[in-house]
Amino acid sequence: DQQVKQNSPSLSVQEGRISILNCDYTNSMFDYFLWYKKYPAEGPTFLISISSIKDKNEDGRFTVFLNKSAKHLSLHIVPSQPGDSAVYFCAATGSYNTDKLIFGTGTRLQVFP
Amino acid sequence: DGGITQSPKYLFRKEGQNVTLSCEQNLNHDAMYWYRQDPGQGLRLIYYSQIVNDFQKGDIAEGYSVSREKKESFPLTVTSAQKNPTAFYLCASKPGGLPNTEAFFGQGTRLTVV
Repeated sequence: DQQVKQNSPSLSVQEGRISILNCDYTNSMFDYFLWYKKYPAEGPTFLISISSIKDKNEDGRFTVFLNKSAKHLSLHIVPSQPGDSAVYFCAATGSYNTDKLIFGTGTRLQVFP
Repeated sequence: DGGITQSPKYLFRKEGQNVTLSCEQNLNHDAMYWYRQDPGQGLRLIYYSQIVNDFQKGDIAEGYSVSREKKESFPLTVTSAQKNPTAFYLCASKPGGLPNTEAFFGQGTRLTVV
């Protein structure tokens, strides 16, 4: 049972435009959400997170939006750059067990010139 | 400098053999994790440990075993019972028991069964 889902396996965006990556979850106990970026043959690196008490969090070109009623979050990258090309994973955890971190299936983003 | 070290980076195993993947961290984190990455399936949780001498099964624990004898170390053994062990394995750690904290990952070990 996939509790965290990323339904788009890939996304292609032109440099300078906005990239929007989506993530859905099923467990209503999740209350902290994270986005990670991963290059091939490397470990994921943390990008940005959001707590369920917020609906938006920004860090430079990256913004995460959370819609609790829809159990949906999205990562916006503006403007997109070629160096953003990677696989992006969303992850979730809950205060019922802050140490159990569940990841989604990932979305491969390609930013072309 | 602080971080998580996985070794080796590449590992080859013959069918029927057990193999142990190493994960060491010097971040003083209580919680440690093992994930497996397969194409199209994201990162799936194998085992995690919240404290020394304790660990919990994740979603795909069958065919794997772990130990947590020291805070710094969380080795993963892939046993011969694991039906499809060829994959990219990732170890992670984070401060244990604290909400709203991120996990840090090692560079991964690619295991190939030959």
